[in-house]
Amino acid sequence: GQNIDQPTEMTATEGAIVQINCTYQTSGFNGLFWYQQHAGEAPTFLSYNVLDGLEEKGRFSSFLSRSKGYSYLLLKELQMKDSASYLCAVRGAGNMLTFGGGTRLMVKP
Amino acid sequence: DSGVTQTPKHLITATGQRVTLRCSPRSGDLSVYWYQQSLDQGLQFLIQYYNGEERAKGNILERFSAQQFPDLHSELNLSSLELGDSALYFCASSGTTGIRVHTGELFFGEGSRLTVL
Repeated sequence: GQNIDQPTEMTATEGAIVQINCTYQTSGFNGLFWYQQHAGEAPTFLSYNVLDGLEEKGRFSSFLSRSKGYSYLLLKELQMKDSASYLCAVRGAGNMLTFGGGTRLMVKP
Repeated sequence: DSGVTQTPKHLITATGQRVTLRCSPRSGDLSVYWYQQSLDQGLQFLIQYYNGEERAKGNILERFSAQQFPDLHSELNLSSLELGDSALYFCASSGTTGIRVHTGELFFGEGSRLTVL
């Protein structure tokens, strides 16, 4: 089975940097994903890591350490519109994508 | 717009009833996934179909069933509905070959919000 842990809620200030952590235990590993989901809306893809290291995409970066079962999503220059839930998801054996409970990020002025 | 279409967007029904949710995947995507998201909960994987065949099954209740048709659209059937079935039901599709996912990305529809009274 798979177990994915991430903080339930985080608060940060507009313009700041925030790091959302995700730890996982999985049988088989075929990649880790981060999705953004605004309340009541569909999740949208942010990033994908399958090899160790940092993937940077604009204001968002994602890091993976497979040996530690650990990933983080880094959001820079926070904007009010970044207030959303951030979902960590792991693709395990059989290519099934399992989501963590999500981290609700609140950006304050 | 992800290219994944779900209908209906909203549905209100009573306990004991049966409903059908419909999903049309992105053009060319062979895999369809169904997820359930209850209020303030994470996405719970229900079931996956690939080119008409069931590929993986998650925490799907026996009262729920799904299928994927030759034109690749999928339907999720929920029967003997209970209050706890009230949730957002998301469909997603991906460009998988069925052996190894090259893109890795799931494209989600806008969801069907089911309310059971």
